[in-house]
Amino acid sequence: AQSVTQLGSHVSVSEGALVLLRCNYSSSVPPYLFWYVQYPNQGLQLLLKYTSAATLVKGINGFEAEFKKSETSFHLTKPSAHMSDAAEYFCAVSVDGNKLVFGAGTILRVKS
Amino acid sequence: DTEVTQTPKHLVMGMTNKKSLKCEQHMGHRAMYWYKQKAKKPPELMFVYSYEKLSINESVPSRFSPECPNSSLLNLHLHALQPEDSALYLCASSQIGTDNSYEQYFGPGTRLTVT
Repeated sequence: AQSVTQLGSHVSVSEGALVLLRCNYSSSVPPYLFWYVQYPNQGLQLLLKYTSAATLVKGINGFEAEFKKSETSFHLTKPSAHMSDAAEYFCAVSVDGNKLVFGAGTILRVKS
Repeated sequence: DTEVTQTPKHLVMGMTNKKSLKCEQHMGHRAMYWYKQKAKKPPELMFVYSYEKLSINESVPSRFSPECPNSSLLNLHLHALQPEDSALYLCASSQIGTDNSYEQYFGPGTRLTVT
């Protein structure tokens, strides 16, 4: 079964520092992968998605992710963290029936 | 317009009450979803509607009853809920394709408290 694993339930960075949120997938077929962000008491907002067109995917708010088949990874990065990036981030894989299977989530804290 | 709207934003109900959650989208999406999200957990899929027909029920208790009156609306009828059903209920919509590549757009959710 297809799944994703997010390494690190909490990540803390200083404002202006690199953001790296890790996601590894398990899939026997080329996966469709997504990153979503959730601010407190809000719904999920799509940051970016991978659908095999390009391995480096650029998303909104300066985020990007690189699909690495050899490492079965789809890590999310941002060169310089802003205070407004503090939120919970979910990696997800789309499976049969257009179902989304989410990772456990990573809470990003940005220190001033 | 990539907006999914949900009403109400907050709902408090007793275990004997009947209430409904509503979801609406005007993006022309033909798939709509209900998710349940407990605190500090990822969303869990409950139901999927494709072309206004229920296509997936993730073994959800019958006290939750979904309804899709038309391609833009999705309801979740609630009856005889338990306190453990308290959660954030999220609606989402997407296009339908043969390869599961379409992203889902989420509403802001309804925060449900069962007393």
